[in-house]
Amino acid sequence: NAGVMQNPRHLVRRRGQEARLRCSPMKGHSHVYWYRQLPEEGLKFMVYLQKENIIDESGMPKERFSAEFPKEGPSILRIQQVVRGDSAAYFCASSPPVGGSNQPQHFGDGTRLSIL
Amino acid sequence: DQQVKQNSPSLSVQEGRISILNCDYTNSMFDYFLWYKKYPAEGPTFLISISSIKDKNEDGRFTVFLNKSAKHLSLHIVPSQPGDSAVYFCAASETGRRALTFGSGTRLQVQP
Repeated sequence: NAGVMQNPRHLVRRRGQEARLRCSPMKGHSHVYWYRQLPEEGLKFMVYLQKENIIDESGMPKERFSAEFPKEGPSILRIQQVVRGDSAAYFCASSPPVGGSNQPQHFGDGTRLSIL
Repeated sequence: DQQVKQNSPSLSVQEGRISILNCDYTNSMFDYFLWYKKYPAEGPTFLISISSIKDKNEDGRFTVFLNKSAKHLSLHIVPSQPGDSAVYFCAASETGRRALTFGSGTRLQVQP
């Protein structure tokens, strides 16, 4: 499967715990994006990363949320001290390094985060 | 402030007929527009895109039309098939930025 891989598919955490969501981009893609979808809403942009760099984090909450895309390994979205309002589907997308900003993003199947 | 709006939450059409999904936007800096299809418990699947320098793009049964003066785009699916039943999202990005702004989606039901 050469698509965007996200794991886990489902994650349950209690309030105050940490959540770590992983994303491996499509082969040959070096640009990674994270989006969040609340029930009955569209996807909301959170952050755009290239290897070892955060390019645009304008959609990230200022506290508790962080993202990284290390030189080796998957991109990680980390949520510290989770609260009930963090319950959502988190989608990762990737795009190739060429073609400028007019390149479609290809999405993984998401991680459904539930906070008890 | 919703910059991308899909005002029809749902649409039902007969198999073989044309499906027309609509999308309006308010941000004049948007210059790239995309349509995605989404099944339950899956991620969005890219369908078709259009740059603001064009007014039409066609790919098989899917055609996207862009009316920049009206800030309106539409997706035409013809002929519609039962497998097209899904939620369709319109998305847009600004010049020089890669962040996508999504609409809230339209649920399409194609009746056999």
